[in-house]
Amino acid sequence: QQQVKQSPQSLIVQKGGISIINCAYENTAFDYFPWYQQFPGKGPALLIAIRPDVSEKKEGRFTISFNKSAKQFSLHIMDSQPGDSATYFCAASMDNAGNMLTFGGGTRLMVKP
Amino acid sequence: GAVVSQHPSRVICKSGTSVKIECRSLDFQATTMFWYRQFPKQSLMLMATSNEGSKATYEQGVEKDKFLINHASLTLSTLTVTSAHPEDSSFYICSGAGAFNEQFFGPGTRLTVL
Repeated sequence: QQQVKQSPQSLIVQKGGISIINCAYENTAFDYFPWYQQFPGKGPALLIAIRPDVSEKKEGRFTISFNKSAKQFSLHIMDSQPGDSATYFCAASMDNAGNMLTFGGGTRLMVKP
Repeated sequence: GAVVSQHPSRVICKSGTSVKIECRSLDFQATTMFWYRQFPKQSLMLMATSNEGSKATYEQGVEKDKFLINHASLTLSTLTVTSAHPEDSSFYICSGAGAFNEQFFGPGTRLTVL
């Protein structure tokens, strides 16, 4: 059973636009929600992460919005650039699960010049 | 962020041979390390969790006798694919767990079994 559902599977955005990727989770015990960026042939890199005690976290052009009641969280990439073209994974984990991450299915983002 | 290295980055081997992949946490101590497998255009699939000095915990469907994991120190874990076959060809990625739930991933190893 997939515990973290991610959408869309693929996304095309014009340069300068906003990229929005959504994730929904089922397990209310999750308490850590990271986003990873992966370029082809490379390992995932931690982009930004949030815990349920805040509803939003911003780091540069990247923002996580978190809705605890809806069990949803999203990644917003402002002023998207061609260099942002990559695959993005949301994930979730819980403190008492030894850091084990449950990944979403991934979103392939293409930012057109 | 913390740095995790993997070696080799790419390996091609003949069917029936064994391949060892090393995963090192360079600037932090990773009590727990994870091994993932990733097929093209798919998400990461957790294979096993290893804790320093103890036996690895394998996910359902992962053969522990085929994918041998050793976590001998807080900075080194190894994955050995024994008697590799073409269906084992994949992208293998390790990660080390930091102090606050973060996982830091290695750059991955592309295994091709001929």
